[in-house]
Amino acid sequence: GAGVSQTPSNKVTEKGKYVELRCDPISGHTALYWYRQSLGQGPEFLIYFQGTGAADDSGLPNDRFFAVRPEGSVSTLKIQRTERGDSAVYLCASSSEADTQYFGPGTRLTVL
Amino acid sequence: KQEVTQIPAALSVPEGENLVLNCSFTDSAIYNLQWFRQDPGKGLTSLLLIQSSQREQTSGRLNASLDKSSGRSTLYIAASQPGDSATYLCAVRRGGGGNKLTFGTGTQLKVEL
Repeated sequence: GAGVSQTPSNKVTEKGKYVELRCDPISGHTALYWYRQSLGQGPEFLIYFQGTGAADDSGLPNDRFFAVRPEGSVSTLKIQRTERGDSAVYLCASSSEADTQYFGPGTRLTVL
Repeated sequence: KQEVTQIPAALSVPEGENLVLNCSFTDSAIYNLQWFRQDPGKGLTSLLLIQSSQREQTSGRLNASLDKSSGRSTLYIAASQPGDSATYLCAVRRGGGGNKLTFGTGTQLKVEL
């Protein structure tokens, strides 16, 4: 079916606010990943889901960041008390057993 | 901790030229290596994936090689075109069951008419 989709494409918020970023993976993909890409850098791993559970959350920078995938499909990345340093492009990817990760277009988050 | 380096950081070539992008990684215990293309303001498009047991993969004008023992991969682009202009990223997935990718900082390629 369609590729990985992410909403919103752009999000501008004020310091201290709460934001949610959504990812719709490719239908049937059991694995879902979140990465963060700062300007001029490669993406950095945040968290990986296998089904509904977080198999590896070692990349989450601190406890202000949290992600869920309650039904094993759509995932939401939640950021509390946003800081200016959280400004980046947040990328979502999904994969099946074939290893290749397919990326969405990303959500550009700007914290003022 | 795995570190991935890409050289050069930027490259400008005339149309038609063959070119090589380099990727090196510090921990050779990888499961696979993947090359991506990223256009400005866009997500990543997978170009080639090389399993740790493979030496190279080819797709059209692209050829990627892997020398796991020396921690190196190259992406060869033949007969470059202006449409090849983009940032090229390599990423490694470590062995031992981890699924996350560790990315390099990319090579920004511009192919000029």
